[in-house]
Amino acid sequence: GDSVTQMEGPVTLSEEAFLTINCTYTATGYPSLFWYVQYPGEGLQLLLKATKADDKGSNKGFEATYRKETTSFHLEKGSVQVSDSAVYFCALSDPTNTGNQFYFGTGTSLTVIP
Amino acid sequence: NAGVMQNPRHLVRRRGQEARLRCSPMKGHSHVYWYRQLPEEGLKFMVYLQKENIIDESGMPKERFSAEFPKEGPSILRIQQVVRGDSAAYFCASSRGTANIQYFGAGTRLSVL
Repeated sequence: GDSVTQMEGPVTLSEEAFLTINCTYTATGYPSLFWYVQYPGEGLQLLLKATKADDKGSNKGFEATYRKETTSFHLEKGSVQVSDSAVYFCALSDPTNTGNQFYFGTGTSLTVIP
Repeated sequence: NAGVMQNPRHLVRRRGQEARLRCSPMKGHSHVYWYRQLPEEGLKFMVYLQKENIIDESGMPKERFSAEFPKEGPSILRIQQVVRGDSAAYFCASSRGTANIQYFGAGTRLSVL
């Protein structure tokens, strides 16, 4: 079945450090891939997405590339800020799944210190 | 353009009581999804509904949990006879159709005493 495996946290970085959060997936079809961000006490917000192999999603300095050969969708940012502190979820949506549900990773908590 | 609206934001219930969680999808969205987030875990799919129809309830516990999305009004997730293990954040999402991005509400945090 479909699933997402995400890098364990928590991750603590200094401001302006480079960020990588690993995400790999298993899917029976050709999924769309997403990164969502959850700030404390809030719901999930879509950060970026990619719908097919080799697509690169980007937003707010974050990037992720859909790699079919490695079944990965790693999140990167060149220089993190304190305001990036949040929990990041990798997710997939498989159009061949009639339920149309999203499959989420367990989340990676990021804390950026000044 | 209001997003997905969930209420209440926080709900406290004693064991054995009923919890009713409401979700109004984004305007123009006819697909609603409910997810549960247990402490320190990711979101787990519970149920997918369209107006007046349950499409997929494969993630719903077999007992005490039910969901509806009536022709008029919000979607309701109902938990009867709550137990401490039901304490979690419950998120609703909506989409315009299948294979579309799901937009999430801020969640309802249920605490069972």
